[in-house]
Amino acid sequence: EVQLVESGGGLVKPGGSLRLSCAASGFTFSSYTMNWVRQAPGKGLEWVSSISSRSSYKYYADSVKGRFTISRDNAKNSLYLQMNSLRAEDTAVYYCAREDHGGDCFDYWGQGTLVTVSS
Amino acid sequence: QPVLTQSSSASASLGSSVRLTCTLSSGHSSNIIAWHQQQPGRAPRYLMKLEGSGSYNKGSGVPDRFSGSSSGADRYLTISNLQSDDEADYYCETWDSNTWVFGGGTKLTVL
Repeated sequence: EVQLVESGGGLVKPGGSLRLSCAASGFTFSSYTMNWVRQAPGKGLEWVSSISSRSSYKYYADSVKGRFTISRDNAKNSLYLQMNSLRAEDTAVYYCAREDHGGDCFDYWGQGTLVTVSS
Repeated sequence: QPVLTQSSSASASLGSSVRLTCTLSSGHSSNIIAWHQQQPGRAPRYLMKLEGSGSYNKGSGVPDRFSGSSSGADRYLTISNLQSDDEADYYCETWDSNTWVFGGGTKLTVL
């Protein structure tokens, strides 16, 4: 069974940093592109970043470019999101999501971790 | 970059059918999209991947009551024999130029 379990969320002050993790199991993690998607309270889904299976390619939404860094450790079956210079508008639940082999969609989601940016 | 347009809300009676629509912006009418369900307080769940031809592939465990179809730039999700736990937000998503885009979501109320 595919499982994605996020951790690392919490309360952080504006300008602060946080590192999110996503532990993957039930599939060959090193074969899949992985993504982060967020959802602000009461709002819709927003794609944040993606990383290819061997970390060759990394892409970011304009809203986080230059502040967030995606990475992965295939030996540990783990995905990460380093978030710096956090703003109030980054407050959201952050989900990790697996991209299907065709790269057409997200076929599995984690349960999410809440990040709150507030003074 | 594509834009996905969804109605903000829809409603239908228990046991009936409902069709939700996701419309692709000009120039992107051939895009593959996916439908996701998000029940209140829960993470999104992948329902299906849907091509412009109307062909679709459902996720593991998605009931037969959920089906997809397409017409031009419109992508449809049809839910038949509505159940109370179908009450949820439904999002479509697509991909282009190394970025992912979501529709604004449709809140489905089961009466």
